[in-house]
Amino acid sequence: DAGVIQSPRHEVTEMGQEVTLRCKPISGHNSLFWYRQTMMRGLELLIYFNNNVPIDDSGMPEDRFSAKMPNASFSTLKIQPSEPRDSAVYFCASSTPGLPGGYTFGSGTRLTVV
Amino acid sequence: QKEVEQDPGPLSVPEGAIVSLNCTYSNSAFQYFMWYRQYSRKGPELLMYTYSSGNKEDGRFTAQVDKSSKYISLFIRDSQPSDSATYLCAMRINDMRFGAGTRLTVKP
Repeated sequence: DAGVIQSPRHEVTEMGQEVTLRCKPISGHNSLFWYRQTMMRGLELLIYFNNNVPIDDSGMPEDRFSAKMPNASFSTLKIQPSEPRDSAVYFCASSTPGLPGGYTFGSGTRLTVV
Repeated sequence: QKEVEQDPGPLSVPEGAIVSLNCTYSNSAFQYFMWYRQYSRKGPELLMYTYSSGNKEDGRFTAQVDKSSKYISLFIRDSQPSDSATYLCAMRINDMRFGAGTRLTVKP
């Protein structure tokens, strides 16, 4: 089991550019979550999907953020246009109803917007 | 008021000490209570989880949940330098809500 795979591991981009973060959940997990982690705000839930359908996107900070899950094995989080305040570590996690106790997290994408 | 409150520390203890980490919460609907450990530049990993009130023990780790007080704890016995990490409490109804995390350093 390769775990939750995120790419890229690091991304440095200029303000105003489009950024796309990618996630491959664990096979068989039907829920996928995008989190953002900063020193100031900790881990914040941005959006989550059940069976590829977005369930709650109330944590998405603004319209510049969008997320898709076109199939059970792939999800993207896009920021367009990016701003310096978007700099953070973005985590993807997946889970299954058979794992009520917790999620499996990826290693994260460290985003720096300059 | 945040749904989940956790003292961010930092907390520094000598090797072999007993460590106590705590969180409080406001939403009585939470049913699953978790502790995650996060090493530097890594994603959080599930350490322990409990359902409803009570204690759960796993090796050197003990998790306690007191739903009447809306208070959860994680105890680490015989702490080791390898336990140095950030510990996040988390609670779940449908999705997961995390505490801010407590940074723990165990000094040899």
